[in-house]
Amino acid sequence: SQQGEEDPQALSIQEGENATMNCSYKTSINNLQWYRQNSGRGLVHLILIRSNEREKHSGRLRVTLDTSKKSSSLLITASRAADTASYFCATDEAGANSKLTFGKGITLSVRP
Amino acid sequence: DAGVIQSPRHEVTEMGQEVTLRCKPISGHNSLFWYRQTMMRGLELLIYFNNNVPIDDSGMPEDRFSAKMPNASFSTLKIQPSEPRDSAVYFCASNRQGGSPLHFGNGTRLTVT
Repeated sequence: SQQGEEDPQALSIQEGENATMNCSYKTSINNLQWYRQNSGRGLVHLILIRSNEREKHSGRLRVTLDTSKKSSSLLITASRAADTASYFCATDEAGANSKLTFGKGITLSVRP
Repeated sequence: DAGVIQSPRHEVTEMGQEVTLRCKPISGHNSLFWYRQTMMRGLELLIYFNNNVPIDDSGMPEDRFSAKMPNASFSTLKIQPSEPRDSAVYFCASNRQGGSPLHFGNGTRLTVT
């Protein structure tokens, strides 16, 4: 079963705009991670936020975590055409033997 | 760091044939995961190993699927007999310890006709 569910399923924006993607989950977690997947390739880890953290930054990425609402958001600022990819959230569920469960992903298209 | 290496990259086989997918994790990583990705079901965890021992195989669809990790540098996922509904991209991933970021291979695209 899917633990994380991303929203929206697809997002199309103009280059230079910001992209916001959301993820909701159901159970207690140790951490939440965001990954990116380019067509025909494996997933690549972007950023990890622990359950006791509320916000984290990495370059043009900003991740927030609200454990009371069981939700996270990924913000990509000043998007580029090269950001076009699928984005996934994954949760490390507490007490689940450290297996990561992925959502179905968000398809982001950045128009040049 | 060569990354996680999977082979073959593509596999086309006929229904009923045996299929073996291979994975070499990153050296020093203690956990190895097999995932399957389809449009309909997304990314599903099939099985994962910790220190070469299978920890959770609850995602393995049925007895036709089996996975082994004979040593720290090699794992196989076998489907016997294969069926058209097994067509998917199969990913192997590894990490250093539980909950740490996963490193994915580029996957094996399996087509069963």
